[in-house]
Amino acid sequence: AQSVAQPEDQVNVAEGNPLTVKCTYSVSGNPYLFWYVQYPNRGLQFLLKYITGDNLVKGSYGFEAEFNKSQTSFHLKKPSALVSDSALYFCAVRDNTGRRALTFGSGTRLQVQP
Amino acid sequence: DTAVSQTPKYLVTQMGNDKSIKCEQNLGHDTMYWYKQDSKKFLKIMFSYNNKELIINETVPNRFSPKSPDKAHLNLHINSLELGDSAVYFCASSPHRDFSTYEQYFGPGTRLTVT
Repeated sequence: AQSVAQPEDQVNVAEGNPLTVKCTYSVSGNPYLFWYVQYPNRGLQFLLKYITGDNLVKGSYGFEAEFNKSQTSFHLKKPSALVSDSALYFCAVRDNTGRRALTFGSGTRLQVQP
Repeated sequence: DTAVSQTPKYLVTQMGNDKSIKCEQNLGHDTMYWYKQDSKKFLKIMFSYNNKELIINETVPNRFSPKSPDKAHLNLHINSLELGDSAVYFCASSPHRDFSTYEQYFGPGTRLTVT
């Protein structure tokens, strides 16, 4: 069965500094990977996805993610953090067994300090 | 012009009651989902419908019954509510059943509290 691990419950970073939110995955077959963000009392919003192609994927709000097949990782990055980036971030992988559901990680809370 | 809407936003009820949560999307999407987010923020899929057809039914108690009157609506009915049902329930939609290349759009969530 597929799985996603987000090893950090919380990431703290100062405004203007680069940020990384880590994600590793396990899935049989080709990985289809997603990042979503959840602001307080809101639903999840799509940030970016990796289906195939370039290992560096660019998404919304200046975020990007680097796909690394050998390390089975899909870390989310941003060169310069904003206070408004503070939210809960979820990594997800598609189930390749035919169900085509998404399996989400446990989420990482990003706190950007001014 | 909300894309995916849910009602109610908050729902407080007692054990044993029956309640429904409604979801509507105006995006013209074919596929809709229900997710449950527990108190630790863990998000898990419950059901998925494509054009009113049930395509994913996770190991959810049969007290939970989704109903899709048309492809723009997916309601969730819960019978005999239990304390463990307390969670935030999210509805989502995507433009295609094979959403490997399509992102999902989420509603704002319904916070259910069972006392």
